[in-house]
Amino acid sequence: EDKVVQSPLSLVVHEGDTVTLNCSYEVTNFRSLLWYKQEKKAPTFLFMLTSSGIEKKSGRLSSILDKKELSSILNITATQTGDSAIYLCAVVGPRYSGAGSYQLTFGKGTKLSVIP
Amino acid sequence: GAVVSQHPSWVICKSGTSVKIECRSLDFQATTMFWYRQFPKKSLMLMATSNEGSKATYEQGVEKDKFLINHASLTLSTLTVTSAHPEDSSFYICSASQGYYGYTFGSGTRLTVV
Repeated sequence: EDKVVQSPLSLVVHEGDTVTLNCSYEVTNFRSLLWYKQEKKAPTFLFMLTSSGIEKKSGRLSSILDKKELSSILNITATQTGDSAIYLCAVVGPRYSGAGSYQLTFGKGTKLSVIP
Repeated sequence: GAVVSQHPSWVICKSGTSVKIECRSLDFQATTMFWYRQFPKKSLMLMATSNEGSKATYEQGVEKDKFLINHASLTLSTLTVTSAHPEDSSFYICSASQGYYGYTFGSGTRLTVV
């Protein structure tokens, strides 16, 4: 059974701090890993990672995948109160080998609270 | 714990037919479930919020007559795509709220309308 584990479950930091969120996975036939930010309704897509060791960056957010360790980290530097959200990690793998469908397995999320 | 099962995982149907997708919370009761549609750039669009025993709340732009949602019990919500057309082909995902901050997602359903 595919599994995605995120840590920590919850994190409280002060504005300006740097945080690192972790995601580890056990997935058959891994295809890619996705990071989302969920504030209110639908999760907002942040990054898609397919290759190991290549950092993706968007402003103060960056993420990298380590296929050897079956994990990914999401870094947020100089955190702001607007970064407060639940950060979700999801892993994409084919549901069945050769099938025309894929399966998305989500972690439970990390709740980040940034206080002024 | 906190598992959400979504079925079917993929379905191919003919244009004009209807398709039902089920979302079940296996080991907890979910008073609220959410239905999303995933677009090619991996973004998830919230389609509707399903509340047990009451009518679903649809997001702006989502046709309620086309995407029928039923949340008849605390563990089951269904999404029926009525009179499906090729443009309805997409990846549909449900999630269930356990009443605290977290959401548990189903594994998604790939719908292809031919």
